[in-house]
Amino acid sequence: NAGVTQTPKFQVLKTGQSMTLQCAQDMNHEYMSWYRQDPGMGLRLIHYSVGAGITDQGEVPNGYNVSRSTTEDFPLRLLSAAPSQTSVYFCASSRPPPRNTIYFGEGSWLTVV
Amino acid sequence: DAKTTQPTSMDCAEGRAANLPCNHSTISGNEYVYWYRQIHSQGPQYIIHGLKNNETNEMASLIITEDRKSSTLILPHATLRDTAVYYCIVRVDQAGTALIFGKGTTLSVSS
Repeated sequence: NAGVTQTPKFQVLKTGQSMTLQCAQDMNHEYMSWYRQDPGMGLRLIHYSVGAGITDQGEVPNGYNVSRSTTEDFPLRLLSAAPSQTSVYFCASSRPPPRNTIYFGEGSWLTVV
Repeated sequence: DAKTTQPTSMDCAEGRAANLPCNHSTISGNEYVYWYRQIHSQGPQYIIHGLKNNETNEMASLIITEDRKSSTLILPHATLRDTAVYYCIVRVDQAGTALIFGKGTTLSVSS
């Protein structure tokens, strides 16, 4: 059972480039979300989804797009990378409340130069 | 604007109980208390959660005060592998889908 899988694990981008962070889960979870974590800080919610075709913004959505075409996948797109987006990105999934223990992926380290 | 207050750091000797406090004085009646931990820079790991009653699982115990304004996570026999940042979370987003993290407590377990 792979759980939540994120790719790539490490990525270096130049300012202005675009890229997609991939996230897949094999637990048939309805809910999925993306967080970012800056050094010495807690996680901050970027976007989330409660099911295929449904997405919404979290605390820090600017500069990111998401889509949810299947239950399994929830990619995060950086439209035009900026140095301020250098961070560690975590994808997570869960079932709806009340059984919504959230499971996290291992993270994607992104550096924008 | 996290709704919890935790000490920045704590130390614990290996084999002893680690008691991690959390204040959440503005908690609403239907909000759960969740505890997660993050080892190094790995993805956060679920530990335990509760609403009113004390809870225990294979990892830890959660003690919630009767007025629900504070709670304590107890790791009964801390090991070196329990060194991590521990997050107490009572705030979820409007849809109940995601957690809102604070800065947590860095627990250092030493031999």
